[in-house]
Amino acid sequence: EVQLVESGGGLVQPGGSLRLSCAASGFTFSSYWMSWVRQAPGKGLEWVANIKQDGSEKYYVDSVKGRFTISRDNAKNSLYLQMNSLRAEDTAVYYCARGTAMVMYWGQGTLVTVSS
Amino acid sequence: EIVMTQSPATLSVSPGERATLSCRASQSISSNLAWYQQKPGQAPRLLIYGASTRATGIPANFNGSGSGTEFTLTISSLQSEDFAVYYCQQYNNWPFTFGPGTKVDIK
Repeated sequence: EVQLVESGGGLVQPGGSLRLSCAASGFTFSSYWMSWVRQAPGKGLEWVANIKQDGSEKYYVDSVKGRFTISRDNAKNSLYLQMNSLRAEDTAVYYCARGTAMVMYWGQGTLVTVSS
Repeated sequence: EIVMTQSPATLSVSPGERATLSCRASQSISSNLAWYQQKPGQAPRLLIYGASTRATGIPANFNGSGSGTEFTLTISSLQSEDFAVYYCQQYNNWPFTFGPGTKVDIK
């Protein structure tokens, strides 16, 4: 069974940093692109970033470029999102997702709240 | 960036009736479109990809159609579990973008 479990969310002040993790199981992690998708409270979905199987290609939405870094550790079956210079508008549930383009498997999400 | 729009914002439907949801892309995306269903407190669920291919386990009462810039999701004979928010999403160009969603609620 495919499982994606996010962790690392919480309350952080504007300008602060947070690192999200996603532990993957039930599939060959190193064979798949992986993505982060977020959803602000009561709002729609936004694709944040994705990363190729070997980490050689990474893509970011403009609103997070230069502030967020997606990475992975295939030996640990884990995906990460390092978020720096956080802003109030980054407040959202962050979902880990298997694949790119369209997503069949999602984690349960982790809430990031940016507030003073 | 490709902008996705959906209509209507809210659709009120009686159980057993048919629902037709529309999605439009700001430029051609060929058939690189997916539909998702999301219920409160849950992650999205992939329904359709390639504009018309049902994902694994999705019942036959969900049907997608369209290509280019105009797309439709049809839910025939709505069941209680089908009342949710539906999002379309293009994956033709990065950044992949979602529509704002259509909420299907009980009439």
